[in-house]
Amino acid sequence: AQKITQTQPGMFVQEKEAVTLDCTYDTSDQSYGLFWYKQPSSGEMIFLIYQGSYDEQNATEGRYSLNFQKARKSANLVISASQLGDSAMYFCAMRGGVYNQGGKLIFGQGTELSVKP
Amino acid sequence: GAGVSQSPSNKVTEKGKDVELRCDPISGHTALYWYRQSLGQGLEFLIYFQGNSAPDKSGLPSDRFSAERTGGSVSTLTIQRTQQEDSAVYLCASSFFGGTEAFFGQGTRLTVV
Repeated sequence: AQKITQTQPGMFVQEKEAVTLDCTYDTSDQSYGLFWYKQPSSGEMIFLIYQGSYDEQNATEGRYSLNFQKARKSANLVISASQLGDSAMYFCAMRGGVYNQGGKLIFGQGTELSVKP
Repeated sequence: GAGVSQSPSNKVTEKGKDVELRCDPISGHTALYWYRQSLGQGLEFLIYFQGNSAPDKSGLPSDRFSAERTGGSVSTLTIQRTQQEDSAVYLCASSFFGGTEAFFGQGTRLTVV
């Protein structure tokens, strides 16, 4: 069975500093994809970043990077230069399946990030 | 529209009534997902459709919940004999087969009174 674990219910960070949100996963699939989503208080789900299990380089998207450690089964999200607008819930997710060809997308419980001015 | 559309955006129903929630995915997306999110909680997987394959229903919490997808496009999630614990936001998402991003709708907030 696949499982995503986010052990930090809440995190605080000072504006302009970097922050790491933890995510560990468990799967028996050889091929899978890892995702991070942001959910502001408005409730919408915003896709941030994706990492494929065969990707050798860590994914980066602007201020977001994914610290992928396959042997440890961890996929931490790093947000650099935090902004007040980064305050939100952050969800780590995984989708299994052969060659990333689909399968259900499962989510962790989320981490609530608060950015202090 | 260009995004995933869900209707209604809000639904208040009496305990014991049946409700139908609708999801219009992005055109061309073959994968469609339903999730339930209770207040302050994570996303609970309910059901996944992929093309003409049999849906993955492993997340449906009871036989009161069912979903169908007609013509590989619009999906309807039906909850029969609603209970107060069914109160939550129901989110729908769609993606290309093997796509790297699932696009979410704005959700339907269901309140059972």
